[in-house]
Amino acid sequence: AQSVTQPDIHITVSEGASLELRCNYSYGATPYLFWYVQSPGQGLQLLLKYFSGDTLVQGIKGFEAEFKRSQSSFNLRKPSVHWSDAAEYFCAVGARRDDKIIFGKGTRLHILP
Amino acid sequence: NAGVTQTPKFQVLKTGQSMTLQCAQDMNHEYMSWYRQDPGMGLRLIHYSVGAGITDQGEVPNGYNVSRSTTEDFPLRLLSAAPSQTSVYFCASSYPTGTGYDTEAFFGQGTRLTVV
Repeated sequence: AQSVTQPDIHITVSEGASLELRCNYSYGATPYLFWYVQSPGQGLQLLLKYFSGDTLVQGIKGFEAEFKRSQSSFNLRKPSVHWSDAAEYFCAVGARRDDKIIFGKGTRLHILP
Repeated sequence: NAGVTQTPKFQVLKTGQSMTLQCAQDMNHEYMSWYRQDPGMGLRLIHYSVGAGITDQGEVPNGYNVSRSTTEDFPLRLLSAAPSQTSVYFCASSYPTGTGYDTEAFFGQGTRLTVV
């Protein structure tokens, strides 16, 4: 069964600073990997996804993530955060036919002015 | 295109009551699922379905039932509500592409359920 670990529950960065959110996964086959963002009181929005091919994936809002098979990681990065990036971020693994999408526990991002 | 629609948006139940959370999608997605979101726990998969007539259990299925009689609808039933089921519930759907079942989940806006 697949699983996802997001080691950081909370992260605080200053506006304009760079950001990296960590995600480690466990999955017995080629993983499909996702990052979602949830603003307070809102639903979930897909930031980016990795299915195959280039291991550096570009997403919306200036985010990117790099798939590293040897480290079982899919870390999310942004070179310069904005106050509007304050939200909760979820990494997820899955799905292929007859399988399921499993989410990590999330990382809440706080932005200092 | 309405996407994934959940009803109701808010609900208060008394312990022991039953109810059904509705989920409908108009994107002809084969895969539908239900998650619950609790503080510090992320999204935990309750049940999922890969097509009409097919359902399976996720991580936290106890106390919930599902059925999938049509492609469009995937209702979640609480048989006898308990305070531990107080949560925000999200329905999600996904689709297969031509290269296989490489999917992303499209989420509804959630149902906030309180059991007192």
